[in-house]
Amino acid sequence: GNSVTQMEGPVTLSEEAFLTINCTYTATGYPSLFWYVQYPGEGLQLLLKATKADDKGSNKGFEATYRKETTSFHLEKGSVQVSDSAVYFCALSQNTGNQFYFGTGTSLTVIP
Amino acid sequence: NAGVTQTPKFQVLKTGQSMTLQCAQDMNHEYMSWYRQDPGMGLRLIHYSVGAGITDQGEVPNGYNVSRSTTEDFPLRLLSAAPSQTSVYFCASRPTPQGTGNTIYFGEGSWLTVV
Repeated sequence: GNSVTQMEGPVTLSEEAFLTINCTYTATGYPSLFWYVQYPGEGLQLLLKATKADDKGSNKGFEATYRKETTSFHLEKGSVQVSDSAVYFCALSQNTGNQFYFGTGTSLTVIP
Repeated sequence: NAGVTQTPKFQVLKTGQSMTLQCAQDMNHEYMSWYRQDPGMGLRLIHYSVGAGITDQGEVPNGYNVSRSTTEDFPLRLLSAAPSQTSVYFCASRPTPQGTGNTIYFGEGSWLTVV
């Protein structure tokens, strides 16, 4: 079946630190992979996505590379800011299916 | 740009009451869905619809009903509220049910407490 596993949180970092949030997936074929971000009191927003192996999605300084060989889509940012404090969700969708599969979310707090 | 609109944002219900969470989207999306979000469990799919007149169950459908009479609207009905239905509910839509990189768009959420 399809599933997404994210690293457990919460994660607390100092401003300007390097961020990695691990995400691995189980799926058949070549799913599309996504990172969503949820700020306090809001819905989820698309952060970035990748649709095929070795693609790199990027947005707002965040990056993730679709690694078919390790079935991973780790989220990285070189220098986090306080405004990046949020919950981050990794997700996949099969291109021929109609459902999204979400990880459990990783809470990030960035302190000044 | 309205996108996906949910109402109400907050609601307190007594056990056994019924209510409807409203969801509307103005993007002409075929696919709409309802999720619930609980601590440590991420997002779980309740029901979804691939077009007007078509609905199907997701992972946790018990205690909920949906209908899709128009492309724009996808209400979620709680038939007889239970404390286990205390949660944050998100409506979401995507342009088509399938497709490479087809992004899903979320509403801002409805916080429901059942006492």
